[in-house]
Amino acid sequence: DVVMTQSPLSLPVTLGQPASISCRSSQSLVSSDGNTYLTWLQQRPGQSPRRLIYKVSNRESGVPDRFSGSGSGTDFTLKISRVEAEDVGVYYCMQSTHRPLTFGGGTNVEIK
Amino acid sequence: EVQLVESGGGLVQPGGSLRLSCAASGFGFSGYWMSWVRQAPGKGLEWVANIKQDGSEKYYVDSVKGRFTISRDNAKNLLWLQMNSLRADDTADTAVYYCVRGWGLDVWGQGTTVTVSS
Repeated sequence: DVVMTQSPLSLPVTLGQPASISCRSSQSLVSSDGNTYLTWLQQRPGQSPRRLIYKVSNRESGVPDRFSGSGSGTDFTLKISRVEAEDVGVYYCMQSTHRPLTFGGGTNVEIK
Repeated sequence: EVQLVESGGGLVQPGGSLRLSCAASGFGFSGYWMSWVRQAPGKGLEWVANIKQDGSEKYYVDSVKGRFTISRDNAKNLLWLQMNSLRADDTADTAVYYCVRGWGLDVWGQGTTVTVSS
């Protein structure tokens, strides 16, 4: 199975400051169709997860442009340009290139 | 509005069975793979199973193979997860179970809670 490793585990951020989350996969996520199926999910406290970013860098409709995804191969990053209070929660990376579909362990973003 | 609504969770004894349902609305259900993902209390996300549009392909995480069965009815826009031999040990099945659209997990339900305990 593909192991997804996220860092940091916890990320205290000052409001208005940037934040960055890393996600590394144990093998390349480039699919045979040429796409890279790396997704970022946000789970706010007490809520279901919500997809933010798909195929590395594509923002879901309605997701603020302060969220951006980048990376390739096995190294990926989610950046929040200026953290707002509503961004508090746990962020997960997920790969769906290989079966079984696997998730990173999550990064807890909190306000300092 | 695209919506997934799970039901069927509850308290069940170890070794027991439970059937989860997911009612889909607001999109062409028959055109999508569908998945179940679970989250144990205070833990991260774990993909459980998924099923192809016509039900011809089904995949499971190793820990549930032979115990869980995913199925669907495209005419009724329903997805199910039949869970047998439920466990309360180290590979516990106690979790919130989410119904999720597609391989890309783009739409999530609100979840239904399964508690396996004597």
